[in-house]
Amino acid sequence: KQEVTQIPAALSVPEGENLVLNCSFTDSAIYNLQWFRQDPGKGLTSLLLIQSSQREQTSGRLNASLDKSSGRSTLYIAASQPGDSATYLCALRGAGGTSYGKLTFGQGTILTVHP
Amino acid sequence: DAGVIQSPRHEVTEMGQEVTLRCKPISGHDYLFWYRQTMMRGLELLIYFNNNVPIDDSGMPEDRFSAKMPNASFSTLKIQPSEPRDSAVYFCASSPTTSGNTIYFGEGSWLTVV
Repeated sequence: KQEVTQIPAALSVPEGENLVLNCSFTDSAIYNLQWFRQDPGKGLTSLLLIQSSQREQTSGRLNASLDKSSGRSTLYIAASQPGDSATYLCALRGAGGTSYGKLTFGQGTILTVHP
Repeated sequence: DAGVIQSPRHEVTEMGQEVTLRCKPISGHDYLFWYRQTMMRGLELLIYFNNNVPIDDSGMPEDRFSAKMPNASFSTLKIQPSEPRDSAVYFCASSPTTSGNTIYFGEGSWLTVV
């Protein structure tokens, strides 16, 4: 059974800092890994998706990496802004059989960027 | 596209009542997912469909929960009878087979059972 852990559970940083959010998983048989953002009272917004054959993806100030062999992914946020404050979740999609459609989520990292 | 549309957005109901949550996936998406989110357990997959067929319902907590997808543009999640411990946010999501399989979430249905 896939287990996903996110560290830290919460993070508070001053505006302008570069920061790293961590995601670790137990089963490397994945189809892809996705990072989401969730604002209070809202649904989840997809930030980046990394296929299992890829090592990283970039979008603006965000960079996500994937190392299947070690069961780790990181989300790097450059020059953080107060608008980045949200909960960040990583999710892994299973690779085969009935696991294919399943997206297993971590518990999330609550990020607060203060001015 | 309008995105994944869920209704109702908020519902407060009394214990024992039937609750029906509705979802319209993004047109052309052939995967549909129902998730439940609580503070204690985070996001849990309840059931997912592929081409309107239920593939895995192992996350459905018990017989009080049922889900249907009568066509490609509509799905329901029903709880009967509802209990206070069912209080949570229920998310519907959809995904295409192609385009990297990015999954798109609705805004959620916030259920409170009193």
